[in-house]
Amino acid sequence: NAGVTQTPKFQVLKTGQSMTLQCAQDMNHNSMYWYRQDPGMGLRLIYYSASEGTTDKGEVPNGYNVSRLNKREFSLRLESAAPSQTSVYFCASIDGQAYGYTFGSGTRLTVV
Amino acid sequence: KQEVTQIPAALSVPEGENLVLNCSFTDSAIYNLQWFRQDPGKGLTSLLLIQSSQREQTSGRLNASLDKSSGRSTLYIAASQPGDSATYLCAVRAAGNKLTFGGGTRVLVKP
Repeated sequence: NAGVTQTPKFQVLKTGQSMTLQCAQDMNHNSMYWYRQDPGMGLRLIYYSASEGTTDKGEVPNGYNVSRLNKREFSLRLESAAPSQTSVYFCASIDGQAYGYTFGSGTRLTVV
Repeated sequence: KQEVTQIPAALSVPEGENLVLNCSFTDSAIYNLQWFRQDPGKGLTSLLLIQSSQREQTSGRLNASLDKSSGRSTLYIAASQPGDSATYLCAVRAAGNKLTFGGGTRVLVKP
């Protein structure tokens, strides 16, 4: 089915470990986004990529890096995980201005 | 900076009652507004998308209105069912293709 696929769905990390969250979309969308969702804070934008080859910081970029590998894939990397990065991470994509966003099912990350 | 507010934060109604969920935003310079549904532990499912030039959108029992000048949108769900229990999020899209979310309204429909 067409959509946004995120892997892994669940992950537990120890403080200081690194990992990469993967996101891929098969809708040929130009723009891709990473959000985190925390209780009481809502969804906040971490990084986005308006088009292949470009990335920009969102509202809460500290502690994260991203790579727009190609038009389909947009990864989020935690270089040295911290407990404050415990959250649910969502990837999303969109095409033109007139269209809505499509979200992945999320990655639940716990940092202990 | 765009701010999106959803009131109420939680809502409990008996089955069959109509639901009215409110969303307000501070900057009227938006491209569109999108309503999402989120079930516990799940991702976001898009319900309705309203372009800035539109006044409303309908899909089945769902109807969303948009008053851009006053910075308001309302989601109506007719004849609520227990399966409508979820959190409903509104989000506005503005320049830079950025989406700003409200805090959500948690809905419980009691049988």
